[in-house]
Amino acid sequence: AQSVTQLGSHVSVSEGALVLLRCNYSSSVPPYLFWYVQYPNQGLQLLLKYTTGATLVKGINGFEAEFKKSETSFHLTKPSAHMSDAAEYFCAVSDGPGGTSYGKLTFGQGTILTVHP
Amino acid sequence: KAGVTQTPRYLIKTRGQQVTLSCSPISGHRSVSWYQQTPGQGLQFLFEYFSETQRNKGNFPGRFSGRQFSNSRSEMNVSTLELGDSALYLCASSHDRDLYNEQFFGPGTRLTVL
Repeated sequence: AQSVTQLGSHVSVSEGALVLLRCNYSSSVPPYLFWYVQYPNQGLQLLLKYTTGATLVKGINGFEAEFKKSETSFHLTKPSAHMSDAAEYFCAVSDGPGGTSYGKLTFGQGTILTVHP
Repeated sequence: KAGVTQTPRYLIKTRGQQVTLSCSPISGHRSVSWYQQTPGQGLQFLFEYFSETQRNKGNFPGRFSGRQFSNSRSEMNVSTLELGDSALYLCASSHDRDLYNEQFFGPGTRLTVL
């Protein structure tokens, strides 16, 4: 069964500092990995995804993530935090379509990012 | 292209009642998934529909049901509401030819059960 662990339910950084949100996954097949962001009272917005190919993926708003198979990790980073980055971030894994995976993403518990001025 | 829309955005019900939530996917998307989001359990998969057929189902009681119409719009129904059903219900759509389950989410329906 798939699972996702996000280390740290709350992360606090200063504006301009590096953002690092950690995600480790467990999957029996090569995974497809996603990071979503959720602002208060809104749905989830896709930041970036890893499917195949290049292991360093770039997303919107200056975020990027690196797929490390040996470490089963997909950590999200941003070189310089902005106040507008304050939100909750979710890492998710999919096996792709088929069988018990149709339409199903398995999410981590989320990390709330706070950005201090 | 319009995004995923969900109606209503907010609902207040009492225990024992039933509720129906609606979701319209992105034009051209025929796969619709539903999730329940609560502070304690996080985001949990309810079910997925494609071409009016349920292809996948999460671990929820039979009080939770859904359906999909020929225009890909989907509804989910919760009968005999319990206090623990209070949650944000999110709908997501995916393109037919998507191989990775990349999903686009709506704003959600906030259900409060009193």
